[in-house]
Amino acid sequence: NAGVTQTPKFRILKIGQSMTLQCTQDMNHNYMYWYRQDPGMGLKLIYYSVGAGITDKGEVPNGYNVSRSTTEDFPLRLELAAPSQTSVYFCASSSPDRAYGYTFGSGTRLTVV
Amino acid sequence: DQQVKQNSPSLSVQEGRISILNCDYTNSMFDYFLWYKKYPAEGPTFLISISSIKDKNEDGRFTVFLNKSAKHLSLHIVPSQPGDSAVYFCAASFAGGTSYGKLTFGQGTILTVHP
Repeated sequence: NAGVTQTPKFRILKIGQSMTLQCTQDMNHNYMYWYRQDPGMGLKLIYYSVGAGITDKGEVPNGYNVSRSTTEDFPLRLELAAPSQTSVYFCASSSPDRAYGYTFGSGTRLTVV
Repeated sequence: DQQVKQNSPSLSVQEGRISILNCDYTNSMFDYFLWYKKYPAEGPTFLISISSIKDKNEDGRFTVFLNKSAKHLSLHIVPSQPGDSAVYFCAASFAGGTSYGKLTFGQGTILTVHP
């Protein structure tokens, strides 16, 4: 009963480096999301997907890319890391029933130095 | 443009008393509202939701109230317990167009329940 699994939990990147944050879910949810949370702020939507092969930008997509080749996986790619991308990243998934909201992963804490 | 606002960054209550967390929204298209709880180093966990066709929903110690005319919702926790100490986020969504029910979150309120 894993739910949503994110890896890694922590990462330190140097400016200009690239990395992929992994996210996988085992609930057969069609909808998946990436959010970032900055200190004292709410969660901001980066990208989302309504099914395999379909992705779209959220509120703060600049500097990120995503892909959705399977229902289970929704990786987030940072191509050229910048200090402004220092944040905690959360992946989530949901069913179409909005009454139950999202199931979130435990997060990835990323620091760009 | 902050469509969902939690104007109280923090709230401190005594164990056994009522905790009331507030949330305001500006987008009249929102038709589903949710509350999440978040402990440090964990992801948010779903707590309770309410549809815009209702004005109240209860689940055990947690009750959410919705006042559509005021664009305001609140979460009541009675009685409060020390284990309720966490950050609480309200969130809202609507299903129209390309929204697909995406959630817009408030900034969060840190609740501390003292023994």
